[in-house]
Amino acid sequence: EPEVTQTPSHQVTQMGQEVILRCVPISNHLYFYWYRQILGQKVEFLVSFYNNEISEKSEIFDDQFSVERPDGSNFTLKIRSTKLEDSAMYFCASRGNAPRQPQHFGDGTRLSIL
Amino acid sequence: AQSVTQLDSQVPVFEEAPVELRCNYSSSVSVYLFWYVQYPNQGLQLLLKYLSGSTLVKGINGFEAEFNKSQTSFHLRKPSVHISDTAEYFCAVSNFGNEKLTFGTGTRLTIIP
Repeated sequence: EPEVTQTPSHQVTQMGQEVILRCVPISNHLYFYWYRQILGQKVEFLVSFYNNEISEKSEIFDDQFSVERPDGSNFTLKIRSTKLEDSAMYFCASRGNAPRQPQHFGDGTRLSIL
Repeated sequence: AQSVTQLDSQVPVFEEAPVELRCNYSSSVSVYLFWYVQYPNQGLQLLLKYLSGSTLVKGINGFEAEFNKSQTSFHLRKPSVHISDTAEYFCAVSNFGNEKLTFGTGTRLTIIP
């Protein structure tokens, strides 16, 4: 069964540094998402992306965050200047193009900010 | 705005016993409902979904859930659990025309041998 893959599985970064989290959505999916889960808290929506533009973003997704589809297979989340509170598990998801398709999630990237 | 409440943060159950994990939602419009499972050190896997039609939906691994519009609930059930069902279970909701998923805080299911 096709999967969403995320790399790296764990990223350790110094506060203030830029970090890029990478995702390869399921082939032929066109709707992409990022969520995050701070340790011990609920999974929170960050951003949705379709047709090379952001379709919705949450209040968490401020100017420090950006997303990009640099080529036909990757979908990236960039955090420009990381803060301690950015430490979390980040999940990428994609969904099929027909109406009412569920979102399929990757295994996540654990981001640790020191 | 929509929200999801999972009242039980932890549920211990003996192996082969039945289990129900509770989920209530709040939304001003019609919804889609989902249950996802997260095994240790893994991502979120879709267990089942309610989009429309029959209010009883069956998913993978013997789980089922019933949509109750009047009680705004979508409880997850399994008649007989196994050790392998040990995981965190998340209920989620999205609105028609609004794709983002809103998750509950999760229920940790622990199976006692």
